[in-house]
Amino acid sequence: DAGVTQSPTHLIKTRGQHVTLRCSPISGHKSVSWYQQVLGQGPQFIFQYYEKEERGRGNFPDRFSARQFPNYSSELNVNALLLGDSALYLCASSPGPRNQPQHFGDGTRLSIL
Amino acid sequence: QQQVKQSPQSLIVQKGGISIINCAYENTAFDYFPWYQQFPGKGPALLIAIRPDVSEKKEGRFTISFNKSAKQFSLHIMDSQPGDSATYFCAASMKNTDKLIFGTGTRLQVFP
Repeated sequence: DAGVTQSPTHLIKTRGQHVTLRCSPISGHKSVSWYQQVLGQGPQFIFQYYEKEERGRGNFPDRFSARQFPNYSSELNVNALLLGDSALYLCASSPGPRNQPQHFGDGTRLSIL
Repeated sequence: QQQVKQSPQSLIVQKGGISIINCAYENTAFDYFPWYQQFPGKGPALLIAIRPDVSEKKEGRFTISFNKSAKQFSLHIMDSQPGDSATYFCAASMKNTDKLIFGTGTRLQVFP
């Protein structure tokens, strides 16, 4: 069975631009969460979506937004990119909304010039 | 307190030895504790997880020991192999959320 798939794998943007990252969860999983992982650190929670509704939000500015589609795939949008947004963006999926095993994709490496 | 403190930052073990990584938390509302393994260029892979109603869980060479009163949990890798060389993260989440709070990671190197 396919795992969590993310696209693109790598992306280079300049400051001030906008970016959209995409995630397809494991088949049958209805919950998608997004995390930011800066080099040398653990992942930091950004958002969780379940059944197209936001179920949790981490300590990130409003430049970060997300949505979930009827097929449970998800997009993460980041506006007005800053140098500090350079990171690995990870998507994780789980079967349900609460406290269930989460499985991660390999992420999108975002570099801001 | 939402933090999960992880130690050591790095660990060098000889092949066949036991690798031990420790984590501590303050928030007693945490009730799910997974461990993830991450190779360079890859996403974290779920290794093993425990809930606070048990003190130990074993899956193959990997064992989680959980001490609820001390608010500590640890990962033991028995018979460590060079292929186990990776970064390991502990994490925790509360009952009504999928939000994982990660530790800072431990870079494990296993030498032949």
